[in-house]
Amino acid sequence: EPEVTQTPSHQVTQMGQEVILRCVPISNHLYFYWYRQILGQKVEFLVSFYNNEISEKSEIFDDQFSVERPDGSNFTLKIRSTKLEDSAMYFCASSEVEKTYEQYFGPGTRLTVT
Amino acid sequence: AQKITQTQPGMFVQEKEAVTLDCTYDTSDQSYGLFWYKQPSSGEMIFLIYQGSYDEQNATEGRYSLNFQKARKSANLVISASQLGDSAMYFCAMREAVSGGTSYGKLTFGQGTILTVHP
Repeated sequence: EPEVTQTPSHQVTQMGQEVILRCVPISNHLYFYWYRQILGQKVEFLVSFYNNEISEKSEIFDDQFSVERPDGSNFTLKIRSTKLEDSAMYFCASSEVEKTYEQYFGPGTRLTVT
Repeated sequence: AQKITQTQPGMFVQEKEAVTLDCTYDTSDQSYGLFWYKQPSSGEMIFLIYQGSYDEQNATEGRYSLNFQKARKSANLVISASQLGDSAMYFCAMREAVSGGTSYGKLTFGQGTILTVHP
C-alpha cells in the first residue's frame, strides 16, 4: 500500500540553525500539507500546497518557514532559524485532487531544538 | 471558541466491549467534513473514518462507525469489539470550506482522547 514517507525520523539541531524536513507524498497525490504537534498537545495545521504554490497557511507559518517541491517527488519544509519553541513532531500529509477529504499522514519527524 | 472539542482526556474499555469517543464541533459552514485519526504510541497518524456534512448515512469502516448528529454538532466515534491494539490517542478533526467555497483540506484537530483497552 502506498504511503507518505518522511526523513529524518528525528532531527536534533541548535537554536538559530536552519533545518530542512523532507517528505515524499503518495505518488498520485497533488495536495500536500505540513502539520506540527508539540509534545502532548493537539496537531496544528501549518500550510497547504497545491500546483506549486501555497494554498493556505496558518499564523504559525511565519517568515521563518518555507515550503518547496524541488522535484517531482519531494516536498520540503524549511525552518530558517530554529527557536526552542519549534521543537515538535512535524507531519507531512498528502491527498488526491478528487479526495481531499482523505489525508494520509507520514510517520512524522521529531525536531528537537537545543 | 474551540472548533473541535473532545471532552474526554482519557477513556478505559474492556477488551471486546464497545466504546464511544465524543467529539463536538463548531462551524457556520454548510459544507464540511469530519475525521477521526488514531495515533499509537509510535506517533504516526492513521486515518480511520470520514463523514461529510451532506452524508445522510453514518460512516462505517469495519469496527469503526461515526455517530453523526448534525443538529447537535457531534461526531462521536464508536469502536466495536475493542482490541488491545486499539489503545492509542484518538483525534477528531474537521475540514471547513475556506472563503470562496474552495477547500484545500486544512484540518483542525481536537485535543485528543487517550483510549486504554484492558484485557
